[in-house]
Amino acid sequence: RKEVEQDPGPFNVPEGATVAFNCTYSNSASQSFFWYRQDCRKEPKLLMSVYSSGNEDGRFTAQLNRASQYISLLIRDSKLSDSATYLCVVNRLKNNFNKFYFGSGTKLNVKP
Amino acid sequence: EPEVTQTPSHQVTQMGQEVILRCVPISNHLYFYWYRQILGQKVEFLVSFYNNEISEKSEIFDDQFSVERPDGSNFTLKIRSTKLEDSAMYFCASSYRGPEKLFFGSGTQLSVL
Repeated sequence: RKEVEQDPGPFNVPEGATVAFNCTYSNSASQSFFWYRQDCRKEPKLLMSVYSSGNEDGRFTAQLNRASQYISLLIRDSKLSDSATYLCVVNRLKNNFNKFYFGSGTKLNVKP
Repeated sequence: EPEVTQTPSHQVTQMGQEVILRCVPISNHLYFYWYRQILGQKVEFLVSFYNNEISEKSEIFDDQFSVERPDGSNFTLKIRSTKLEDSAMYFCASSYRGPEKLFFGSGTQLSVL
């Protein structure tokens, strides 16, 4: 089973729509959770860390459900500039060293 | 804002040649990583480095690959004899503490002909 799984999409939505992405992780010992945004041929950039209490940054809301091993990202009022691939990233200790596990990404296309 | 810098941005080389990809992590960071991404595919882990030694490497990181932190600021990835399948975008990343967020450099696009 993959360490981190995401729906690859693409999600094609009109401007102004609300869209949600989900991510599941397989190891309950995972300790840190992140959403990264990656534009084509560019580096992943941190969008937000994900906390157990849930957190919001403008139009973006992230939720973590440790019991279900599930992370979500909600984007409200989608903009054309939100078009990108969204990577779910999970960190846990492996052999006493922190390792990051990447999902394969969910592609979002926001259309005019 | 501090950033991870990588050079060169593009590298074209002939199969069998050696390449060195260079990175300057954020200055107070302690954990360093190399990842690669073949176009259209997921980000793949190559190697992690902490306290002047490799802490983990993937099966991709075979004897042709090596890393060095020669002077306390640079972090290099060397591929001794490049193969066609080494063509990819190579990203350097660093973090201050283990479980904290990763910061990525802008990548080196390696093309092996």
